[in-house]
Amino acid sequence: DTGVSQDPRHKITKRGQNVTFRCDPISEHNRLYWYRQTLGQGPEFLTYFQNEAQLEKSRLLSDRFSAERPKGSFSTLEIQRTEQGDSAMYLCASSGREFGNYGYTFGSGTRLTVV
Amino acid sequence: AQSVTQLDSHVSVSEGTPVLLRCNYSSSYSPSLFWYVQHPNKGLQLLLKYTSAATLVKGINGFEAEFKKSETSFHLTKPSAHMSDAAEYFCVVISGGYNKLIFGAGTRLAVHP
Repeated sequence: DTGVSQDPRHKITKRGQNVTFRCDPISEHNRLYWYRQTLGQGPEFLTYFQNEAQLEKSRLLSDRFSAERPKGSFSTLEIQRTEQGDSAMYLCASSGREFGNYGYTFGSGTRLTVV
Repeated sequence: AQSVTQLDSHVSVSEGTPVLLRCNYSSSYSPSLFWYVQHPNKGLQLLLKYTSAATLVKGINGFEAEFKKSETSFHLTKPSAHMSDAAEYFCVVISGGYNKLIFGAGTRLAVHP
């Protein structure tokens, strides 16, 4: 396992369509985070999973967004009825149990373009 | 709530000259702070982290940062810039019970020959 994998790398979709992204964290990491990064900005926190439990959601995560992490392994982020404002880079990060190390590892992200 | 402010959106230096990227933090308790770097079309990479140990933190690629509580600052420095240092740099603080990362807006570093 060489790191956090995200799929797809790029997604172009028409406004109103649904899209789903996948994140495969480092296998032994029980913590998983989703972030969104718009052009010229730093990543913004969206949601957090500890194992399969979704423990925190940002106000940025409207009801069109849903995230899951079945069985505490990979995670999916779905956006329904996409809007142009959803265009961004969606980043996934994972972290292990050892808080003292704060060993977060980020994936390369999925770039979403809504046309 | 914890937050960070990066004081410069763009910094331009000549190759071989020092780099200074400024970051101020706001925290109600002793923070854990990071600097991340993001090269074009690459993932975020951890440069260094401060977790209440030594106030001068050394990171990868010759970067270091000093935690100054009196100034609520965590500036990133490098004695001599290299062309490969050109990238976006983010100052980050940990926030909340689930240790989520709060990013600054970023500083784009340009290095000229």
